[in-house]
Amino acid sequence: GQQLNQSPQSMFIQEGEDVSMNCTSSSIFNTWLWYKQDPGEGPVLLIALYKAGELTSNGRLTAQFGITRKDSFLNISASIPSDVGIYFCAGQPPGGYQKVTFGIGTKLQVIP
Amino acid sequence: DTGVSQNPRHKITKRGQNVTFRCDPISEHNRLYWYRQTLGQGPEFLTYFQNEAQLEKSRLLSDRFSAERPKGSFSTLEIQRTEQGDSAMYLCASSLSLAGDTDTQYFGPGTRLTVL
Repeated sequence: GQQLNQSPQSMFIQEGEDVSMNCTSSSIFNTWLWYKQDPGEGPVLLIALYKAGELTSNGRLTAQFGITRKDSFLNISASIPSDVGIYFCAGQPPGGYQKVTFGIGTKLQVIP
Repeated sequence: DTGVSQNPRHKITKRGQNVTFRCDPISEHNRLYWYRQTLGQGPEFLTYFQNEAQLEKSRLLSDRFSAERPKGSFSTLEIQRTEQGDSAMYLCASSLSLAGDTDTQYFGPGTRLTVL
C-alpha cells in the first residue's frame, strides 16, 4: 500500500521564523491535504490541493502539489505561538478518494 | 455549530466490555469515515459509508468492530469485548462527494477510548 514519508518529525523554531515541512509518497496521489491537530482534538483541514503543480495559500500558509504527484510541501511564514501543533500531510490515490493515507506528522513548537 | 460532532469525547472502560461511539456528520454530507489514531501516529482508515451503505472496511477492522449508518445520517461504531490494544482516538470524518469530484474530508473532535 501507499506509504507517506513526512519530515521533519519535530521542530523547534523561534517566533517569527518561517517553517517548511514536506511529504513524499511511494506512489502518485490525486489529492494532497494538509491538516493541523491540537492535543485531544481532531485534525483541522488547512489546505487541499487537487492538481499537480498547484500552489495554494491560506493566510500565512502555502502548500504545493509536486509536479511528480508524489510529493507536497507546506510552508508557514512568520510563525506565531498558536502555530504550535502537529501537522499532517495526507493523500488520496487515483480512484480511491475515500481512502486517505496520513503521514506520521510534524510536531511544531514555537519559542516566543 | 455545523461541523462533525462525536460523542462521547472520552470513554474509559474495562477490558471485555462493549462500547459504542456516535458520529454526526456535517449536514448533507453523503460520505462518512471512521479512523483510528494511536499516540504519535497519523489517523488510520477503518471504514467508510456512502449514504447508508458501508462500502469499504480496512483489515484493521476486526470482527469485534461493527459500524452502522442506518439512515445515511449519523453513524455508530461499536467495539465488542474491548482489549487494551483498542485504546486509541477514534475519529469520524465526513465529505460531500459528487460523481467525478474530489473528496475533501472534514474531521470531528474524536472519541478518546481508554481500555483498562
